[in-house]
Amino acid sequence: KAGVTQTPRYLIKTRGQQVTLSCSPISGHRSVSWYQQTPGQGLQFLFEYFSETQRNKGNFPGRFSGRQFSNSRSEMNVSTLELGDSALYLCASSLGGTSGDNEQFFGPGTRLTVL
Amino acid sequence: AQSVTQLDSQVPVFEEAPVELRCNYSSSVSVYLFWYVQYPNQGLQLLLKYLSGSTLVKGINGFEAEFNKSQTSFHLRKPSVHISDTAEYFCAVTRRGGATNKLIFGTGTLLAVQP
Repeated sequence: KAGVTQTPRYLIKTRGQQVTLSCSPISGHRSVSWYQQTPGQGLQFLFEYFSETQRNKGNFPGRFSGRQFSNSRSEMNVSTLELGDSALYLCASSLGGTSGDNEQFFGPGTRLTVL
Repeated sequence: AQSVTQLDSQVPVFEEAPVELRCNYSSSVSVYLFWYVQYPNQGLQLLLKYLSGSTLVKGINGFEAEFNKSQTSFHLRKPSVHISDTAEYFCAVTRRGGATNKLIFGTGTLLAVQP
């Protein structure tokens, strides 16, 4: 079974631009979560989607948004990029139950550098 | 709200020696507990999880962890480490029955195994 895939793996943008990252979950998984990983703040939850609906959202500004498609693939968008948005963005997929005990499988991440 | 504390940012250890990585959590509600490992330039991989039952949990690669409710701890142990265990280790919690898979991570512990 193929794992979680994220594209692109590396991205360089300049301040003020916008960026879209993509995540393809494991086949059959309906929940996709996004995390931002930085040396200063560590791993922080961005949002979670389940069956095309945002189920939970972290404490990030509105410049960060996401969506999920009917095939469970997910995209996240960051508008008006700032230097502080440079990070590794990780996507995780799971079957999607609501009890919290679902194992989440992480993709390799997209490394975003903002210049 | 939940929080996770990993007191040791880095743990140096010699090959074949035992190791313990410490994790303490704080939560006003019941949680599930996880340990993840991240190798350089990769995503996160689940090592083990505590959902219920026996407080001693065995995971992959010879790791185990013990849940201690009174001390709100979930320390990770391995009796004999290998060079290949060099990686960053993250402790995480998620709320039981919280209708979300949101993970709250500690700041990570870098395990540096020396020959």
